[in-house]
Amino acid sequence: GQQVMQIPQYQHVQEGEDFTTYCNSSTTLSNIQWYKQRPGGHPVFLIQLVKSGEVKKQKRLTFQFGEAKKNSSLHITATQTTDVGTYFCAGGVNTNAGKSTFGDGTTLTVKP
Amino acid sequence: DARVTQTPRHKVTEMGQEVTMRCQPILGHNTVFWYRQTMMQGLELLAYFRNRAPLDDSGMPKDRFSAEMPDATLATLKIQPSEPRDSAVYFCASGRTGNIQYFGAGTRLSVL
Repeated sequence: GQQVMQIPQYQHVQEGEDFTTYCNSSTTLSNIQWYKQRPGGHPVFLIQLVKSGEVKKQKRLTFQFGEAKKNSSLHITATQTTDVGTYFCAGGVNTNAGKSTFGDGTTLTVKP
Repeated sequence: DARVTQTPRHKVTEMGQEVTMRCQPILGHNTVFWYRQTMMQGLELLAYFRNRAPLDDSGMPKDRFSAEMPDATLATLKIQPSEPRDSAVYFCASGRTGNIQYFGAGTRLSVL
């Protein structure tokens, strides 16, 4: 079955440093979503990418979807302590089915 | 502010007892998902429904778990009998056509 892998599993950064997490799918995707889960919280939808090579920005966060639609990345510029949490990608292969396969997440800690 | 509502938020029970978790999806959403999250397993899809019909419950231990949608405003996940290894956070998520999911706050289950 479809697999979605995320690296790294953990990332510790100093406040102000940049952070990137990578997501790779074993199959070509129709779309990919990114979620953030704060410690003790629930996953919260951040963004969806649909087009090959798409790049979207949300303030200090930059999301990319690969040309082959099998990989994606989330880059945070100048991390802040409010960025701590686990970032999940989720890949969908069939828009009509509605189901996406989640990666195991990258947990980010930020040292002030 | 539309949100997915899960009850109870916390549940402590003894091994062998029945546990029922409830979820009210966002009004108008036709897809409902149940996930289990542990430190070791990440987000594990247990079951999901489209227009109240079960589409996939292959991730759910069939001998003790059951998931239903009695109506469009209620999804339930039951464990009978519960076991200590079922201790986890159980999330419900809902969505419309497409792959974006909105998560509830979760039910934290402890089976002693």
